[in-house]
Amino acid sequence: AQSVAQPEDQVNVAEGNPLTVKCTYSVSGNPYLFWYVQYPNRGLQFLLKYITGDNLVKGSYGFEAEFNKSQTSFHLKKPSALVSDSALYFCAVRDGGFSGGYNKLIFGAGTRLAVHP
Amino acid sequence: SQTIHQWPATLVQPVGSPLSLECTVEGTSNPNLYWYRQAAGRGLQLLFYSVGIGQISSEVPQNLSASRPQDRQFILSSKKLLLSDSGFYLCAWSASTEFPVSAPQHFGDGTRLSIL
Repeated sequence: AQSVAQPEDQVNVAEGNPLTVKCTYSVSGNPYLFWYVQYPNRGLQFLLKYITGDNLVKGSYGFEAEFNKSQTSFHLKKPSALVSDSALYFCAVRDGGFSGGYNKLIFGAGTRLAVHP
Repeated sequence: SQTIHQWPATLVQPVGSPLSLECTVEGTSNPNLYWYRQAAGRGLQLLFYSVGIGQISSEVPQNLSASRPQDRQFILSSKKLLLSDSGFYLCAWSASTEFPVSAPQHFGDGTRLSIL
């Protein structure tokens, strides 16, 4: 069965420091991985995706994510955090080995990122 | 560019009343459409998805139903609301023209539903 875990309920970072939000996944086929961000009372915004190729994926707002097949991880990173990055972050996975007509996205429980001035 | 609209933004309804939430997508044709519920600002639960007009698949048996009367219109309904229907309802779309596994979903800004 497909699953995705975000082991940290909350991550606290000082502004200007690097940040990492962790995500691990479990799929039967090839993983297709996504990161989303949600600001209060808003919908989810797509940040980046990994489909195939380079293990380091660059996305919106200076975020990037590193795919690690051996560790089944897809951690979100940013070299220098901003206070405005404070939000709820979701990792999601599609199982390329799962035959579904619409290819269901499985979301993690979310990690709250708090960037302090 | 593509946009997705949901309304209303907030809704307060009494128990037992009916519900209709609407979602429309602009700037694309034949999108895949989704309804999610988010409880307590955390995890998302997929409620319904649709790959075409009149084609609705339900993920979780419940008090809600969905309909797609037009290509870019997706409606979430209930005949009688329960207290447990409270939550943040999100509509999303993805491009059916993209390779399915790689197409991201794009979300509306949601409807916060409170049942009294």
